[in-house]
Amino acid sequence: KAGVTQTPRYLIKTRGQQVTLSCSPISGHRSVSWYQQTPGQGLQFLFEYFSETQRNKGNFPGRFSGRQFSNSRSEMNVSTLELGDSALYLCASSRTGGGDYGYTFGSGTRLTVV
Amino acid sequence: GENVEQHPSTLSVQEGDSAVIKCTYSDSASNYFPWYKQELGKGPQLIIDIRSNVGEKKDQRIAVTLNKTAKHFSLHITETQPEDSAVYFCAASTGGFKTIFGAGTRLFVKA
Repeated sequence: KAGVTQTPRYLIKTRGQQVTLSCSPISGHRSVSWYQQTPGQGLQFLFEYFSETQRNKGNFPGRFSGRQFSNSRSEMNVSTLELGDSALYLCASSRTGGGDYGYTFGSGTRLTVV
Repeated sequence: GENVEQHPSTLSVQEGDSAVIKCTYSDSASNYFPWYKQELGKGPQLIIDIRSNVGEKKDQRIAVTLNKTAKHFSLHITETQPEDSAVYFCAASTGGFKTIFGAGTRLFVKA
């Protein structure tokens, strides 16, 4: 079966711009989580959506937002990009929420802010 | 707040030797402990997991142990091979939409 699909794979944006990243979970998975990964900070939790509702949120500024559609696909948006937003953004899907049966991760979107 | 500490941050072993990565969690309500392997250019992949009602679980060359009293759990890789080289993450979940990851261990297996 198809895995978690993230688009685009690579993105270069200018400081101050906004960006939208997309994630299609595994068929049948209703939960989508987003993580930011940087070399020195490991996996930082952004938010988790289950059945179109945000169920948990990490400690990121309001510039980071997300949503989930009725088909479980999810998007995350970062507005007013800063250089420090350069990172690998990972999406993870699971059948139930909270990752308590494990996550399946996508390959990520690498965002570079210049 | 809740956190998961992971050690060591870097581990270098000779091919064929064993590797052990240790994690400590703070939330006593944690009941699910997965381990993920991340290879270069890929997202993390679930390789083994254990629940709080089990003390040990094995899958071929990898095993995970859990000590709930001490809030410790460990990943053991025996007979390491070059393809085991990757970054490994431990995590602890309490259910209720809360999974916390460790900071990761970069494992190098020297041929």
